[in-house]
Amino acid sequence: AQKVTQAQTEISVVEKEDVTLDCVYETRDTTYYLFWYKQPPSGELVFLIRRNSFDEQNEISGRYSWNFQKSTSSFNFTITASQVVDSAVYFCALSEANSGYSTLTFGKGTMLLVSP
Amino acid sequence: EAGVTQFPSHSVIEKGQTVTLRCDPISGHDNLYWYRRVMGKEIKFLLHFVKESKQDESGMPNNRFLAERTGGTYSTLKVQPAELEDSGVYFCASSQGGSMTDTQYFGPGTRLTVL
Repeated sequence: AQKVTQAQTEISVVEKEDVTLDCVYETRDTTYYLFWYKQPPSGELVFLIRRNSFDEQNEISGRYSWNFQKSTSSFNFTITASQVVDSAVYFCALSEANSGYSTLTFGKGTMLLVSP
Repeated sequence: EAGVTQFPSHSVIEKGQTVTLRCDPISGHDNLYWYRRVMGKEIKFLLHFVKESKQDESGMPNNRFLAERTGGTYSTLKVQPAELEDSGVYFCASSQGGSMTDTQYFGPGTRLTVL
């Protein structure tokens, strides 16, 4: 069975601090995808990134970066120079292929509070 | 392009009543998913439609939940009769394809409170 663990329930930082959100996953599949979604106070889940299991290159997008390490089954997310607008719940998810179709297995989410 | 929309945004009902949630996927997306997040827990998969057909309903909690997608466009999720443990946020997502390479785009969710 697949599982995603986000051990940090809530993180509080002050603006401009860097913050890393942890994500550890379990799967028996050799081919899988990992995702991060952001849920701002408005409620919708906003897609941030998708990474496949064969691509361990780190990804950077502006202030956001992702570190994928298969050796530790982790897909961590770092926000550099955090801003108040980054305050949200962040979910890590793993895709599972079932008869050719995919469903997502989510972690419990990490609430990030960035104060001015 | 319009995103996934859900209606209503909030619903408060009494135990034993019926509630119907609606989801309109992104236009052209054949795959539609329902997920649910109970307070403090993971977002959990409920079911997956490919067009009007149920591809996977393994996550549906029990037979009080009925999902439909007539015509392969919008979908409804009916809870009848609602119980206290059904409270949570119900998310709908859609994707063009249904494989793991296809990104699912989520709606804003419907917050259901059963009193």
